[in-house]
Amino acid sequence: ILNVEQSPQSLHVQEGDSTNFTCSFPSSNFYALHWYRWETAKSPEALFVMTLNGDEKKKGRISATLNTKEGYSYLYIKGSQPEDSATYLCAFNGSSNTGKLIFGQGTTLQVKP
Amino acid sequence: GAVVSQHPSWVICKSGTSVKIECRSLDFQATTMFWYRQFPKQSLMLMATSNEGSKATYEQGVEKDKFLINHASLTLSTLTVTSAHPEDSSFYICSARASGASTDTQYFGPGTRLTVL
Repeated sequence: ILNVEQSPQSLHVQEGDSTNFTCSFPSSNFYALHWYRWETAKSPEALFVMTLNGDEKKKGRISATLNTKEGYSYLYIKGSQPEDSATYLCAFNGSSNTGKLIFGQGTTLQVKP
Repeated sequence: GAVVSQHPSWVICKSGTSVKIECRSLDFQATTMFWYRQFPKQSLMLMATSNEGSKATYEQGVEKDKFLINHASLTLSTLTVTSAHPEDSSFYICSARASGASTDTQYFGPGTRLTVL
């Protein structure tokens, strides 16, 4: 059974703090690792699709790194803002043909003004 | 761009009735759509892969006769929960992968909350 784990489960930070979360996934049969940001009552928003070991991607204050050999990815948020409050999901794609995603449970971030 | 809608956003029904949920890609064509469900405090779990013009592929443990999927066009997939029971109460969410896209990004709808009384 393929397992994707995210930690921590939840996180409370003050506005301006930088923070990071972890996603661990199977290190074999890797095709891609997806990160999504999910605000309540909205659609999950695609942040990154990462495919290469050592990949580092950035979108504004959010960045992510990827280590496929050891099976983990980090998501970083620099200078958290209240609007960053959301659940951040990672999803493992072990096959390019089917596109099936295996999701972690998510990390819920609450940024206090 | 890349917007996916879902309808309805929530539905309450009596046990034994059938419920249809629609998933539409609004500004792109999607050869493949995916249906997930999420039970409380659990992760999104893939139920089935819906391919335009062909039969859906169901994940292990998902009853194809209970969860009917139709993907009749490149912009619409429907999930029908037949003879719904309280244990089918869950959050159902779809995603769509753009046809011929250079990336494997899946775009998600906002989900449907189903409550079966």
